[in-house]
Formats: sequence, C-alpha cells, structure tokens
Amino acid sequence: GAVVSQHPSRVICKSGTSVKIECRSLDFQATTMFWYRQFPKQSLMLMATSNEGSKATYEQGVEKDKFLINHASLTLSTLTVTSAHPEDSSFYICSILARDWREETQYFGPGTRLLVL
Amino acid sequence: TQLLEQSPQFLSIQEGENLTVYCNSSSVFSSLQWYRQEPGEGPVLLVTVVTGGEVKKLKRLTFQFGDARKDSSLHITAAQPGDTGLYLCAGPNNAGNNRKLIWGLGTSLAVNP
Repeated sequence: GAVVSQHPSRVICKSGTSVKIECRSLDFQATTMFWYRQFPKQSLMLMATSNEGSKATYEQGVEKDKFLINHASLTLSTLTVTSAHPEDSSFYICSILARDWREETQYFGPGTRLLVL
Repeated sequence: TQLLEQSPQFLSIQEGENLTVYCNSSSVFSSLQWYRQEPGEGPVLLVTVVTGGEVKKLKRLTFQFGDARKDSSLHITAAQPGDTGLYLCAGPNNAGNNRKLIWGLGTSLAVNP
C-alpha cells in the first residue's frame, strides 16, 4: 500500500496561534487527500476533501476559514488550524486516495496530536 | 442516509478467547473495508470485501461480507494482546462521485494477557 507521513506528530500551542500540519504521500501521486479529526475512543470524522490544484470541499459544520487546506502538489497537502482554541485539541489524520487496477483505497497517515492550551 | 452500525462498542476479553465484531447497515454497499487503529496511530487497512458472501482470511482473522452486501463480520480466533485496538468498518458513499467513506463508530477491543 501507499505510505503517508504527517508532520508534526504532536504539537502543543497557545490559544490564538495558528498551527500547520503537513500530510505527505511518499510513494504515490495523490490527486485526492482527506482530512479527518478524531476524539478519544471515537470514530473518524471527515473534515474535508482536498483536491490537488483546486479548492477543498468541506463537510457541513466545518469552518473553511478556520481550517485552511492547501493541496499544491500531488504529494503534499497542508491543514492550518487558524486562531486555535482549546476545543480544537484533537487527533488530526490525513489519508490519500490510491487506485490500483481494481479498486480505490484510502491509506492513512500516522496522525497529529494537537493540544491547545 | 447510509449508516454503518458496529457492535459491540467495547469488548474486553482474555487472551486465547474467540470474538466476533459486527458491522451492519440497512443500505447496500459496493464494498466494505475493515481497519485496525492502535492508540496514537492512523488506521491501517486490514481487508476489503467486495463480493456478497465473500470470506477472507488474514491469519487468525476471518472477514465475511453478507450475501446482500449490507453487513460484514470480523471473527478473531485465539485473540492475543497484540490484537488490542479500535476496529473500524467503512464503506464507500454511494451519493455522487466524491469517494468519501462512511465510517462505523468502531469496536474498541482489549485483549488481556
């Protein structure tokens, strides 16, 4: 399967600051990436679909001005949490959409733990 | 609206026991995927089932896709502490062409030595 990395793996920041999370596809050119957030012992919640070279598509209830997504290349998508607040503390996970000859599969990064103080 | 319901939500068993986790829906899915996620890590794909009635085996894990493609199960034989984690089922969203996945809420499994 495809290999996906995320950076940083964990970050602690003060309330009001902005935090950028990188998602890299190391061995696959990904035109589509997804950003999720996950609370402890809960399932994944899709935040947005990131498309290379175009604007991201956000899920209902996710503020596009707060969670800025940039997918400028086929191997990199970034999520910037602007003016972070304690309620933004969560586990953020990205995935890439990879297709073999038969089906499409999402491959996930290792996640980024964000703690806003 | 497509929904995936997983049961049980939590499961704590002793090493060596067998267990089954269920993923059910009232909607038909073209395929279903099972993931395992360990604390602090991203989900890792275990298997994709595509054909109704399909059974796939991955060592001690057996995955089954219902004949009507509305449900799936994961059976673990002789569970080991290394099987501990969150098991998630997911299936493609049939609406539109956005390739999003519908996710179950997960089954949190703890295997005690």
